[in-house]
Amino acid sequence: GQNIDQPTEMTATEGAIVQINCTYQTSGFNGLFWYQQHAGEAPTFLSYNVLDGLEEKGRFSSFLSRSKGYSYLLLKELQMKDSASYLCAVRDRTRGAGSYQLTFGKGTKLSVIP
Amino acid sequence: EAQVTQNPRYLITVTGKKLTVTCSQNMNHEYMSWYRQDPGLGLRQIYYSMNVEVTDKGDVPEGYKVSRKEKRNFPLILESPSPNQTSLYFCASRTPYEQYFGPGTRLTVT
Repeated sequence: GQNIDQPTEMTATEGAIVQINCTYQTSGFNGLFWYQQHAGEAPTFLSYNVLDGLEEKGRFSSFLSRSKGYSYLLLKELQMKDSASYLCAVRDRTRGAGSYQLTFGKGTKLSVIP
Repeated sequence: EAQVTQNPRYLITVTGKKLTVTCSQNMNHEYMSWYRQDPGLGLRQIYYSMNVEVTDKGDVPEGYKVSRKEKRNFPLILESPSPNQTSLYFCASRTPYEQYFGPGTRLTVT
């Protein structure tokens, strides 16, 4: 099975930078995803990491260290609209050949304040 | 427009009354899945399908059935709904690198 941990809630100020951490334990790691989910809406894809290092996409960056089972999502120049839950999800191959499964963490609720 | 659609978006029903939530995608994806989302528990996978006529249980399959007779459709069936199945349900389809979610179905079982 998998164990994915991320903080339950975070608060940050508009215009600032915030880092949301995610740690995981899995035996057949095959990629890590970050999703944004506004209240009552569907999750939307933010980033994908499969190799170690930093992936940058505009104001959002995601980092992965496979040896440490660790990722973070970095949000710069925070805006009020960034208030949402951020979901870390790990893909692994634990259910047989050809079957990649995506397991989600419980999400981090980010509140951006003026 | 590439999308995943679900119907109904909202449903209130009574215990034991069979219901089906439909899911359809227009991206020709082979892989589809169903999740439920509950406060404090996050997104949990109910069932998934790797292709037509190939389905398998996820983490919380009890009380649910699925079928995959066509590539684009993946309905979720609750034969005898119970109050503990009150939840927000998401259908999703994916490529190896990105998962697309439907808009969600909020189900209440009284």
